[in-house]
Amino acid sequence: GNSVTQMEGPVTLSEEAFLTINCTYTATGYPSLFWYVQYPGEGLQLLLKATKADDKGSNKGFEATYRKETTSFHLEKGSVQVSDSAVYFCALSRGFQKLVFGTGTRLLVSP
Amino acid sequence: GAVVSQHPSRVICKSGTSVKIECRSLDFQATTMFWYRQFPKQSLMLMATSNEGSKATYEQGVEKDKFLINHASLTLSTLTVTSAHPEDSSFYICSAPDPGTSGGDEQFFGPGTRLTVL
Repeated sequence: GNSVTQMEGPVTLSEEAFLTINCTYTATGYPSLFWYVQYPGEGLQLLLKATKADDKGSNKGFEATYRKETTSFHLEKGSVQVSDSAVYFCALSRGFQKLVFGTGTRLLVSP
Repeated sequence: GAVVSQHPSRVICKSGTSVKIECRSLDFQATTMFWYRQFPKQSLMLMATSNEGSKATYEQGVEKDKFLINHASLTLSTLTVTSAHPEDSSFYICSAPDPGTSGGDEQFFGPGTRLTVL
């Protein structure tokens, strides 16, 4: 079956540090891949997505590249801010089917 | 992007009462909606898939008689927690894929409903 594995948190960084959150997936066919972000007490917001191999999704300084050969979709940001503190979820989906989520990674950024 | 709303955002009720949560797609039609439950500091657990015009599909271990789902129209799905107990306290989130976005791959999430059962 389809599954997503992402690194456990929390990830604790100082402001302006480089961020990587690892995500790997197992799926049949060619799913679309997503990163969602959840701020405290809120629902999920789509951060970025990629729909096919070698696509790079980007938004708000975050990037992730769909790597079919390594079945990965790692999230990166060159310089994190305190406001980036949140929980980040990697997920996959195939057209109208349920999203399969990773366990989420909490990011804590200190000034 | 597409917008999904949920109502209420927060509800506190006494044990034994029933609570209804609404999920609406505001600017698109959703033949399918998903209901999730999230415990503190944990990932989302899919509870059921709500299908307009047919019965909901429940995930293994979810009591269908306790969590009643009705997909009343192409823009509204409701989740009713019947005879709620403290262990039902949780954050409930709905989502819906927009057919006009990436062939339905992308889902849009409601802001969530925090249920507290006393």
